[in-house]
Amino acid sequence: GQNIDQPTEMTATEGAIVQINCTYQTSGFNGLFWYQQHAGEAPTFLSYNVLDGLEEKGRFSSFLSRSKGYSYLLLKELQMKDSASYLCAVRPNTGGFKTIFGAGTRLFVKA
Amino acid sequence: DGGITQSPKYLFRKEGQNVTLSCEQNLNHDAMYWYRQDPGQGLRLIYYSQIVNDFQKGDIAEGYSVSREKKESFPLTVTSAQKNPTAFYLCASSMRSLGFRAGTEDGYTFGSGTRLTVV
Repeated sequence: GQNIDQPTEMTATEGAIVQINCTYQTSGFNGLFWYQQHAGEAPTFLSYNVLDGLEEKGRFSSFLSRSKGYSYLLLKELQMKDSASYLCAVRPNTGGFKTIFGAGTRLFVKA
Repeated sequence: DGGITQSPKYLFRKEGQNVTLSCEQNLNHDAMYWYRQDPGQGLRLIYYSQIVNDFQKGDIAEGYSVSREKKESFPLTVTSAQKNPTAFYLCASSMRSLGFRAGTEDGYTFGSGTRLTVV
């Protein structure tokens, strides 16, 4: 089957760094996405990885290892507004449209 | 500004009633999708459409119907056959429906969601 695993909840302190891990098992691989979703709102696109390595975008970075079926999202200089759910999503098949979403990791940032 | 609009934001349905959720986009995106989000679960695909007048079932299509008469619009009807419709429904669109070039960002643009409750 196809499966995406990520921790249910994490707590971190304002100004700190937090790493949210995601492991996946899918039939084929054609890209991994991270989305941010505040409670009751739509997910917003954060990052996309299709090749191994680290993609940096301001305070957020995303890492991918295709051989390990593993990704992480790194958030630096945490702010209170970063409290949200972070969704890991994988597009399994080349040429495919479907994206499989993980259940999301709820991040709580405390002062 | 371009975007994707869902309405209504909140919707209450009585037992045995059909309701329709609206989704409109002005991004000129070809593909549109409907997802359902339940607590503790990932987004699950209900229906998707790659082109006007064509749509396909996703993983949990039973009890739902859609139409794609215009590129901009992809309404979802929750029928009385859907036994557990209470959920948060998200509409999304993307530029490409097939094919994927390495290094391109082809994520979804999501609407703000409709929270449906059965009363």
